[in-house]
Amino acid sequence: NAGVMQNPRHLVRRRGQEARLRCSPMKGHSHVYWYRQLPEEGLKFMVYLQKENIIDESGMPKERFSAEFPKEGPSILRIQQVVRGDSAAYFCASSDRGRNTGELFFGEGSRLTVL
Amino acid sequence: AQTVTQSQPEMSVQEAETVTLSCTYDTSESDYYLFWYKQPPSRQMILVIRQEAYKQQNATENRFSVNFQKAAKSFSLKISDSQLGDAAMYFCAISGTYKYIFGTGTRLKVLA
Repeated sequence: NAGVMQNPRHLVRRRGQEARLRCSPMKGHSHVYWYRQLPEEGLKFMVYLQKENIIDESGMPKERFSAEFPKEGPSILRIQQVVRGDSAAYFCASSDRGRNTGELFFGEGSRLTVL
Repeated sequence: AQTVTQSQPEMSVQEAETVTLSCTYDTSESDYYLFWYKQPPSRQMILVIRQEAYKQQNATENRFSVNFQKAAKSFSLKISDSQLGDAAMYFCAISGTYKYIFGTGTRLKVLA
């Protein structure tokens, strides 16, 4: 059973460009979470999605950031017009249960560097 | 709102000794779970142990055990017989209705 797959592992963008990060949850999981980790800091919650629905996006900046989890295909975290402050590791996690009772399974993260 | 506080940015332990990592939390929810995750240098997040808040018995997983004090909102992790492979960042986390909240982490160094 393949784990949570994130790609790309590393992404370099210049200021003003767009970054797209993809996450395929574990097979059978319909709950996806995105977190951001700045160097030497903890994980900051960004958004929680179920298939085709955004359940909680309270941690995601209102501008430039968006997320989706379509019926078919991976979840996408999209950052438009990137700035240097967006440089971070972005982790995706999935779960097979609602109400957050289960273990979160994490991907290896996507490291975004903005030049 | 839920919060998780890890007051020890860094801890050191001698190989084969025991170390305890502290975590306190706050939540208004009655139904929640608590977790400790490990993040080694590879940055892959790995679940160490999980505690269901409605269970009074402390969770144990081999060399890892927790001291769960619900009234005090405390959830510490004890690592016995520490090994070099235990060196990592350790994050305490709480689950709520819609999200999991993580603490800022404790970096554990294991000295040979």
